[in-house]
Amino acid sequence: GAGVSQTPSNKVTEKGKYVELRCDPISGHTALYWYRQSLGQGPEFLIYFQGTGAADDSGLPNDRFFAVRPEGSVSTLKIQRTERGDSAVYLCASTKNPLSGSNTGELFFGEGSRLTVL
Amino acid sequence: DAKTTQPNSMESNEEEPVHLPCNHSTISGTDYIHWYRQLPSQGPEYVIHGLTSNVNNRMASLAIAEDRKSSTLILHRATLRDAAVYYCILRDDSSYKLIFGSGTRLLVRP
Repeated sequence: GAGVSQTPSNKVTEKGKYVELRCDPISGHTALYWYRQSLGQGPEFLIYFQGTGAADDSGLPNDRFFAVRPEGSVSTLKIQRTERGDSAVYLCASTKNPLSGSNTGELFFGEGSRLTVL
Repeated sequence: DAKTTQPNSMESNEEEPVHLPCNHSTISGTDYIHWYRQLPSQGPEYVIHGLTSNVNNRMASLAIAEDRKSSTLILHRATLRDAAVYYCILRDDSSYKLIFGSGTRLLVRP
């Protein structure tokens, strides 16, 4: 379909391993967001891209987390030395134009990647 | 961004209207009010947004109090598919991100 696509849908890994999560935004959407959602909680902001650059990475919990968007389309969230506390659903969202001022374009979310760290 | 307060959960009967409240007493004049909902095992989806005036779309209506310190999302006829967590979010017009709270879990009884 034409929605936001996230892969893998499920990932089980062992503590200490490296993980990559991929997001394919809707074609033509310049703004891309990553969120993390723990069980019973609302989504927590991680990072925002406008084009290729990370305009705001203030939500990344520590330096084990990193995200890239080299060509301004697909984005990859990378987690090094995974810990059990990293287990969550990682959500990606995109929008055609950045939310700013009166431009309140809706965010389109993918179904998420469920990460389980054993 | 200013904070919102929502009930943890609400229940409704199918085909009846549902009024989901949201308090935002510290709202500023430049804060937009957004509503998103999240169905089970899915990402959040946009419902509606507004600034000062009431808004209607095909999904719902948004009623904003005159002092803007509260708002209500109205589903005119609840269906079983409307069972979801509903998030009320304030976004300052200088901000480009949405900060989610815990939302209201809506249960719809057949």
